[in-house]
Amino acid sequence: AQSVTQPDIHITVSEGASLELRCNYSYGATPYLFWYVQSPGQGLQLLLKYFSGDTLVQGIKGFEAEFKRSQSSFNLRKPSVHWSDAAEYFCAVGAGTGGGNKLTFGTGTQLKVEL
Amino acid sequence: DAMVIQNPRYQVTQFGKPVTLSCSQTLNHNVMYWYQQKSSQAPKLLFHYYDKDFNNEADTPDNFQSRRPNTSFCFLDIRSPGLGDTAMYLCATSRAGGVSNEQFFGPGTRLTVL
Repeated sequence: AQSVTQPDIHITVSEGASLELRCNYSYGATPYLFWYVQSPGQGLQLLLKYFSGDTLVQGIKGFEAEFKRSQSSFNLRKPSVHWSDAAEYFCAVGAGTGGGNKLTFGTGTQLKVEL
Repeated sequence: DAMVIQNPRYQVTQFGKPVTLSCSQTLNHNVMYWYQQKSSQAPKLLFHYYDKDFNNEADTPDNFQSRRPNTSFCFLDIRSPGLGDTAMYLCATSRAGGVSNEQFFGPGTRLTVL
């Protein structure tokens, strides 16, 4: 069965600093990987996804992620964090099921941005 | 704007009193999902509908049921809520056809069982 580990429960960065959120996955085949963001009181919003091809994936809001098969990782990065990036970030691995897509999420990383 | 709407946003119920959560979508997606997210935990898929086909996750308690009367609406019924069912319940939708299709999430219903 697939699983996702996000080792950092909380991260605090200063506004303007760079950010890297870690994600490790376990999946038997080629993984379908996603990063979602959840602001307080809101649903999950897709930042980016990886299926195949270029291992560096660009997403919305200036985020990118790099897929490293050898390390089973899919870390999320942003060169310069804005105060509005404070939120919870979830990494997920997807698998097709019953015509849909079962997402298995990590436990999330809570990002705090200091002004 | 096309979207996923959940009602109510907050629900308080008593132990053992049935409760229904509602999800509607204007995206015309074939697939609708229900996730449970307990405090400080990952969202966990309970079940999903592909059109009218119901797909239950193996570890979803029997206490949780779902109905999808039409493409736009999907309901989550908790027949006899326990204290452990206190959680955020997220509805999501996607096109059919597999893993590459993005899931669009509603804002969630925060359920408290007293």
